[in-house]
Amino acid sequence: GAVVSQHPSRVICKSGTSVKIECRSLDFQATTMFWYRQFPKQSLMLMATSNEGSKATYEQGVEKDKFLINHASLTLSTLTVTSAHPEDSSFYICSASLDRAYEQYFGPGTRLTVT
Amino acid sequence: AQSVTQPDIHITVSEGASLELRCNYSYGATPYLFWYVQSPGQGLQLLLKYFSGDTLVQGIKGFEAEFKRSQSSFNLRKPSVHWSDAAEYFCAVGALNFGNEKLTFGTGTRLTIIP
Repeated sequence: GAVVSQHPSRVICKSGTSVKIECRSLDFQATTMFWYRQFPKQSLMLMATSNEGSKATYEQGVEKDKFLINHASLTLSTLTVTSAHPEDSSFYICSASLDRAYEQYFGPGTRLTVT
Repeated sequence: AQSVTQPDIHITVSEGASLELRCNYSYGATPYLFWYVQSPGQGLQLLLKYFSGDTLVQGIKGFEAEFKRSQSSFNLRKPSVHWSDAAEYFCAVGALNFGNEKLTFGTGTRLTIIP
């Protein structure tokens, strides 16, 4: 149980375009979903927290207009990287929690490469 | 604000040898503590967690960790490592931050297993 999927697993896009990453909780309804960014050989940095039906809470320094997060249902959250640039290339990981926000189940991650 | 320190960036251990990965945290109250493992290009898998009670916590894959309040530590141990244990290990603390529950990760320890 508690499986989280992400799609796509890898994506390459051209500079200036937008790309959407989906995060789904497959066998439970997630009250909260989280989006993290991980640079090579570094730790996970929380980008934003989203609750179903409400606006996401972004961490300090994360551009809200660049990283659009939608949490339309209890099983789906999306992260859209708008007007992507090479510096947005990274590994993006989502997680979902059922009850306590501390108990997060992580997706497999999405490797974004912007050329 | 809470923080997590993993002093060892990279550890190399012989297969069959014992392992200890260090983790120190900083938080004003009793924290919730976690250890996660990440294989290359993958998401995070929860190894074990400490919320309260017995300070020696058993996890999956033969791992255990001990919470020592006096040392602000939560070190991960395994008596005999297997080649499949080679991965990146992250310690995390769950805490309230401006009313929001969130996880803060350490920078990770990369474990290499030699035959």
